[in-house]
Amino acid sequence: QVQLHESGPGLVKPSETLALSCTVSGGSIGTYNWSWLRRSPGKGLEWIGYISYTGTSIYNPSLKSRVSISIHTSMNQFSLKLTSMTAADTAVYYCARGDTSGFYGFYYYYMDVWGKGTTVIVS
Amino acid sequence: QVVLTQSPSASASLGASVKLTCTLRTGHSNYAIAWHQFHPERGPRYLMKVNSDGSHTKGDEIPDRFSGSSSGAELYLTISSLQSEDEADYYCQTWGSGVVLFGGGTKLTVL
Repeated sequence: QVQLHESGPGLVKPSETLALSCTVSGGSIGTYNWSWLRRSPGKGLEWIGYISYTGTSIYNPSLKSRVSISIHTSMNQFSLKLTSMTAADTAVYYCARGDTSGFYGFYYYYMDVWGKGTTVIVS
Repeated sequence: QVVLTQSPSASASLGASVKLTCTLRTGHSNYAIAWHQFHPERGPRYLMKVNSDGSHTKGDEIPDRFSGSSSGAELYLTISSLQSEDEADYYCQTWGSGVVLFGGGTKLTVL
């Protein structure tokens, strides 16, 4: 059974860079796509971006200029970097495994395994 | 532009059933969403995919009490025999314009 676990600092200063890691256990990172998301009272649930097992990444345009997601297959980990942090970036950050599905020509990406999340406060 | 709309809150009694709604605005004639549960202690969990024809596919170990359906632009998550552990936030999710999109979420209270 695949499990994901986020790790990283719980407190970041304004203007600094957030660095989070997600460790995948119970399965190989060498398949599927791997996402970062966050949830805050003000903004709800927001997808940050994903990286494929081949290293191709897609980011939410609203965060694209500040985001970098990388994959480390030998360690079964992937990571997030978010630069120029502000109070608006305070949230619970989640990593998740993603897959694609289709229904009569409508193709979509969805998350099918989630980590429990890690709280990040910018202050 | 794809937009998902959910009621902010819902409530139902222990042992009863509740139907949560996700209204999808899309230019596609066929479409699908995923439902996710955010439990205050257990964290998030993928529940199922629901297609616009009402068919659905549940995630691993999701109880039979959870089911999906649809009618027009509305896609549903029905939880029967409500238990206290079902009290959580529920989000619908799909893909549009190159991004993952979520509804605003429904907070379910079990009375």
